[in-house]
Amino acid sequence: DAGITQSPRHKVTETGTPVTLRCHQTENHRYMYWYRQDPGHGLRLIHYSYGVKDTDKGEVSDGYSVSRSKTEDFLLTLESATSSQTSVYFCAISESTGAGELFFGEGSRLTVL
Amino acid sequence: GENVEQHPSTLSVQEGDSAVIKCTYSDSASNYFPWYKQELGKRPQLIIDIRSNVGEKKDQRIAVTLNKTAKHFSLHITETQPEDSAVYFCAASRGTGRRALTFGSGTRLQVQP
Repeated sequence: DAGITQSPRHKVTETGTPVTLRCHQTENHRYMYWYRQDPGHGLRLIHYSYGVKDTDKGEVSDGYSVSRSKTEDFLLTLESATSSQTSVYFCAISESTGAGELFFGEGSRLTVL
Repeated sequence: GENVEQHPSTLSVQEGDSAVIKCTYSDSASNYFPWYKQELGKRPQLIIDIRSNVGEKKDQRIAVTLNKTAKHFSLHITETQPEDSAVYFCAASRGTGRRALTFGSGTRLQVQP
């Protein structure tokens, strides 16, 4: 498996609290992604990064922000969590964008009460 | 943006039978079409991909076909085995520039022994 780890793996929080999920890679891949997985919706792109401090929005970016200050770390922040953000979040990395294999982390299960 | 539709959402077959999962895409400029397999509780992993300059690609018991005119592509699994039971996701992207994959909603395949 590619060197990609997510933390925390499980988190329960309350509505209105801030939450940060961390993705750490040891592969030195340029591209990093955050997806959320929900039943019936597959994997939906939240944000992605194509380099340090270079990020762009995906199809479901409202309510989320990201930061990438180092090649190896990509942070996903929910400024004020809502119940609709209860989901499994997957980080992924790739050497090339769009046309290369994505390597996924193990996922982070977030429950917002 | 790209929209990928995947059918069926669930599929049950007898061991040894074939399984077919179909996807359609909306962006005529898409040229990269991977398939990911996600076993229960695990991360998605790439199993096969195809690019627009090829109409079919095989890898042992799995094959993918692409019809660019109709904008659809399919995954074929022959001689299914219980270990093929998983959720399968199709995806599409333009493959150039800062483009991320857009995933279908997934197909849960159950292979009955």
